[in-house]
Amino acid sequence: AQSVAQPEDQVNVAEGNPLTVKCTYSVSGNPYLFWYVQYPNRGLQFLLKYITGDNLVKGSYGFEAEFNKSQTSFHLKKPSALVSDSALYFCAVRDGIKGTYKYIFGTGTRLKVLA
Amino acid sequence: DSGVTQTPKHLITATGQRVTLRCSPRSGDLSVYWYQQSLDQGLQFLIQYYNGEERAKGNILERFSAQQFPDLHSELNLSSLELGDSALYFCASSPGGGGLFFGEGSRLTVL
Repeated sequence: AQSVAQPEDQVNVAEGNPLTVKCTYSVSGNPYLFWYVQYPNRGLQFLLKYITGDNLVKGSYGFEAEFNKSQTSFHLKKPSALVSDSALYFCAVRDGIKGTYKYIFGTGTRLKVLA
Repeated sequence: DSGVTQTPKHLITATGQRVTLRCSPRSGDLSVYWYQQSLDQGLQFLIQYYNGEERAKGNILERFSAQQFPDLHSELNLSSLELGDSALYFCASSPGGGGLFFGEGSRLTVL
């Protein structure tokens, strides 16, 4: 079965510094990978996805993610962090076949951007 | 705004009771997913419907059931509630395989 792992429960970064939130995956076949963000008491919001193509995927709010097949990683990045980026971030992988897709989420990483 | 609507936003009930959570997917989305988010369990996939049919099942308890109606809205029924069922329940819809759009969730508190 497909799975993703987020090895860090929390990441702290100073405002203005680059940030990285890590995700590794385990899949059979081609991976379909996603990043979501969750602000307090809100639903998850889609940030970006990797289906195929360029290894660097650009998404919402200035975020991007780098797909690395050899390292089976899909790390989320942003060149300059904002305090407003503080939130819970989830990596996810799509499993199943058309009509029966399941989306498996990682355990989440809490990002704290310090002013 | 994702376009996915969930009601109620908050619900407080007692152990042993039954509740129904409702979800309206984005216009045109045929797939509806239900997830449970609790503090110690993360985001757990419960069940998926596609155009009225159950298509995938995750870690859904036998006390829980769901259905998707002809107008594509979905309901998640939780019965014989226990304290451990207290959680955020999310509905999400999908236009295909390109990802999920989540509602704001229903926060269930079982006392």
